[in-house]
Amino acid sequence: ETGVTQSPTHLIKTRGQQVTLRCSSQSGHNTVSWYQQALGQGPQFIFQYYREEENGRGNFPPRFSGLQFPNYSSELNVNALELDDSALYLCASSLARDRNTEAFFGQGTRLTVV
Amino acid sequence: GNSVTQMEGPVTLSEEAFLTINCTYTATGYPSLFWYVQYPGEGLQLLLKATKADDKGSNKGFEATYRKETTSFHLEKGSVQVSDSAVYFCATNTGNQFYFGTGTSLTVIP
Repeated sequence: ETGVTQSPTHLIKTRGQQVTLRCSSQSGHNTVSWYQQALGQGPQFIFQYYREEENGRGNFPPRFSGLQFPNYSSELNVNALELDDSALYLCASSLARDRNTEAFFGQGTRLTVV
Repeated sequence: GNSVTQMEGPVTLSEEAFLTINCTYTATGYPSLFWYVQYPGEGLQLLLKATKADDKGSNKGFEATYRKETTSFHLEKGSVQVSDSAVYFCATNTGNQFYFGTGTSLTVIP
């Protein structure tokens, strides 16, 4: 089975621009979550998608938005980029939404906003 | 609310030393507990988990026991190796999301 893959691996954007990050979930996984990991910090939950519907959201502004597609792949979109958006963005997929299920993480997209 | 507090790092140990990384949590409801490991330039990998009180998770010589009375999930390994050098994250899962600690960086020197 294939793991979670994210693209691109690195990205540099200018403040005010928009960015789209992509994630292919692990085969058979219907739940995708996105996390932001600032340097030296733990990952912070952005939102989760289950069967193409948003299923929970963390403390992030509306300029962070997402999509999940019928094949369960996902996108994270960030509008009006700010310098503080510079971080590693992690996608995680899981088989279910219950608390016992582990999440499988991709290698991340390193976003730098200048 | 939900939060995870981890031992501050960085931690530097000699090879074959004993490792303990402390982790405590606050949670609404009854979470499952996890330890994830992150190697340089990579995403997070599951190390071990425990889903109910007194459960012990174990993997690759690492162990952690779910202690509900002390709300703790401390990570231990009896004899660390250079290859264990990484950042370790304690986390809770309530079903909708993971809550992570800030991570503890471990460096093992030969």
